[in-house]
Amino acid sequence: DTEVTQTPKHLVMGMTNKKSLKCEQHMGHRAMYWYKQKAKKPPELMFVYSYEKLSINESVPSRFSPECPNSSLLNLHLHALQPEDSALYLCASSQEWRPDGGGYTFGSGTRLTVV
Amino acid sequence: KQEVTQIPAALSVPEGENLVLNCSFTDSAIYNLQWFRQDPGKGLTSLLLIQSSQREQTSGRLNASLDKSSGRSTLYIAASQPGDSATYLCAVSDDYKLSFGAGTTVTVRA
Repeated sequence: DTEVTQTPKHLVMGMTNKKSLKCEQHMGHRAMYWYKQKAKKPPELMFVYSYEKLSINESVPSRFSPECPNSSLLNLHLHALQPEDSALYLCASSQEWRPDGGGYTFGSGTRLTVV
Repeated sequence: KQEVTQIPAALSVPEGENLVLNCSFTDSAIYNLQWFRQDPGKGLTSLLLIQSSQREQTSGRLNASLDKSSGRSTLYIAASQPGDSATYLCAVSDDYKLSFGAGTTVTVRA
């Protein structure tokens, strides 16, 4: 299995809702990432998990809460989002979290719309 | 801070023409460079990964070169097809993060 699987593919949520994004990989990668991508912009890093521990939080608002229950699974819990949080959310993984840790594999993304 | 630039921002070519996409980076101390393809509203698909010790990588109609000393990489796509229409992103790994270029959007006209 050489894929990163993200669910759901599309999500519409109100500003008072709580929802979660899910990401799964079975490549044995020990680093997993959440990125946010706005239209016509490159992806921006949000969080890095290495060996199931949060290693980087790029000053992301607390309404986004990541979780890594095991080495294959990464969640992003969403609460009280704003319309400007509408974006494509991408999950990625790599063998290790280090500059020469191999290439990145990205998922197909979750298109989030906040209404 | 690493800056990655991709020129041109957009490119339109007739089917069958070869594509040349450029990526430049300001700090040559990179570990690897990766080229991705992104279709509208979709995720990133990895095309080629070039380690810093390599000069080029090939996969089918795709060939990517890397000149670390001059801070440049070029992606060549031979005999373009309408299905090659997408945005192509390059990303360099020089620290514990990927630095992305803004991408080149390619349209191949049938």
